[in-house]
Amino acid sequence: AQSVTQPDIHITVSEGASLELRCNYSYGATPYLFWYVQSPGQGLQLLLKYFSGDTLVQGIKGFEAEFKRSQSSFNLRKPSVHWSDAAEYFCAVGDTGGFKTIFGAGTRLFVKA
Amino acid sequence: KAGVTQTPRYLIKTRGQQVTLSCSPISGHRSVSWYQQTPGQGLQFLFEYFSETQRNKGNFPGRFSGRQFSNSRSEMNVSTLELGDSALYLCASRIAGAYEQYFGPGTRLTVT
Repeated sequence: AQSVTQPDIHITVSEGASLELRCNYSYGATPYLFWYVQSPGQGLQLLLKYFSGDTLVQGIKGFEAEFKRSQSSFNLRKPSVHWSDAAEYFCAVGDTGGFKTIFGAGTRLFVKA
Repeated sequence: KAGVTQTPRYLIKTRGQQVTLSCSPISGHRSVSWYQQTPGQGLQFLFEYFSETQRNKGNFPGRFSGRQFSNSRSEMNVSTLELGDSALYLCASRIAGAYEQYFGPGTRLTVT
């Protein structure tokens, strides 16, 4: 069965430092992959998506993610974190067979001054 | 283009009551999905509607039901509310054939 694992429940980084959030997926075929961000009390906002082609995808707010098939990973990165990036981040995989989206448990990002 | 809207944003109900939540998708989006989000269980898929038909269903009891209207607006109903139904209920819409979803702000349901 398809699954998404985000190994880190929470991460704390200093403002201005780089960020990498990990995501591993289990899927038989080439997956459709997504990263969403959720601010407290809000809905989820799509940061970026990967369907095919270039394995490094750019998203909004300065985020990027790299698809690595050999590692079944789709890690999210940002070179310099801002205090406003503090939120919860969800990795998700699209099930091409049933049009379902499977979400990871999320990683909460804390940013310290 | 207006985003996904959900009403009401906050709701307080008593155990045993029923509740109806509403979702208006982005114009042109015919698929609407509902999710329940709780601190303990995370994001759980409830169901998806496409062109007024339920296309996918998650693993929730029959107390949770939904429907979609011809204008793609969707409602979700929970009957005989339990304390454990307290959650943020999120609605998401997407274009037919696309995988990326666009979420509304959610309805915060509190059951007392």
